[in-house]
Order: sequence, then structure tokens, then C-alpha cells
Amino acid sequence: NAGVMQNPRHLVRRRGQEARLRCSPMKGHSHVYWYRQLPEEGLKFMVYLQKENIIDESGMPKERFSAEFPKEGPSILRIQQVVRGDSAAYFCASSPNSQGRGGYGYTFGSGTRLTVV
Amino acid sequence: DQQVKQNSPSLSVQEGRISILNCDYTNSMFDYFLWYKKYPAEGPTFLISISSIKDKNEDGRFTVFLNKSAKHLSLHIVPSQPGDSAVYFCAASRSTGNQFYFGTGTSLTVIP
Repeated sequence: NAGVMQNPRHLVRRRGQEARLRCSPMKGHSHVYWYRQLPEEGLKFMVYLQKENIIDESGMPKERFSAEFPKEGPSILRIQQVVRGDSAAYFCASSPNSQGRGGYGYTFGSGTRLTVV
Repeated sequence: DQQVKQNSPSLSVQEGRISILNCDYTNSMFDYFLWYKKYPAEGPTFLISISSIKDKNEDGRFTVFLNKSAKHLSLHIVPSQPGDSAVYFCAASRSTGNQFYFGTGTSLTVIP
């Protein structure tokens, strides 16, 4: 029973390129969350998705960022025309219910470390 | 606007002693709180949670205390072990929300 799988673990992109980050939730989890951790900061919420639906994207930058969780396949966080300020660790989490409650919180993946050069 | 704050970036404790990590929050609507532990190059791992209807929750060596009037929670680890050395994040949520608000973390070092 694999945990939350994120790939790639490390991603280097030049300014202006696109970054695609993938996340496969734990088996049986239908709720997916993306968080970003900038250097020396805590994790910041970006978006919450269920299959084929974006439930809450209030933490997503208005431009260049998009997310999807298709019926089949992993959730994708897409960053177009990356800039140096996008360099961060991006964590995906999943849970079997909508708020990670019930005494177990979310299950996080190991993250994708994006470096924009 | 940092709604969850961990004011101590780091803490060092001798092995076998108690570690106390603190967390303050500003939003009185928060009603569920968690602590996560994070090793370098890994994702956060859930440690322990507490609902606002309680003021204490214990799980083995880990105990979380919640003081709602002070908007303060703390994590006690006793006895501390070298394997506990990691960054600890507290997080909070409200029942009507979809996200957790994380603090900036406290790096705990347990000295053998």
C-alpha cells in the first residue's frame, strides 16, 4: 500500500519553461491538496481537488498556475513560464475525507523540489 | 498574514529530557490542530492532533495541550530521543475551511 507518490523529486527548469508536477494519492483517498513551501517558510495551501473537480483554489497564484485531478491518472500541478520566485518545494497530500480529520490529518508525499535557473 | 506562529525557530534538548514546542494562533475559528514532523528531503509526517473540544491529547511519548483562551498549543515529547530530531510544524484548520494553516516550524535537536 504505497503512500502518496510525487514525481519528479527534483526538477530544474530555465526561466520561461513549463513545470509539470505529478501526484498519485494513496489508495482509497479521493481528496488531493497541493501545498508550497518557500525557503524558511511554512507550508502554504495552494489548491484542493477531488476527481475531475477543483474544490478550492484560493491559494493558487492567479496567473501561470493550474491544477487538475483527472478521472484517470495522477493529479498535475502545472506552472507555465516559470520564474525564479517559483523555486520551492511543492508537496501533495491526500486524505479520505474533505478535511483530513478523524485523528490522522493528511498524508503527504515527499515533495518535488523545483529549481528555476 | 501568518495565522499560525511558531516563534522559536530552533530548540536543543538533552536525550531523555522533555521537549516542549510551542505554537500560537490568531484565528478563533480554528477548531482542529495538528502537529507534523519533517525530516530533510521528506514530506511532513502526521504526529498527533487535537480537537478544540479537548484540552489534551496523548499518544505514547507525545502529548499536545490546547489552551483556547490563550490561543496556544504545545507539543510535549518525553523522554526525548535522538530520532526525534526534525522540524516540527503545527497546523490549524476550521470546520468550514478546506485547508490547514501551517506555522513556520521549529527545528528540534536532541543531543545524545
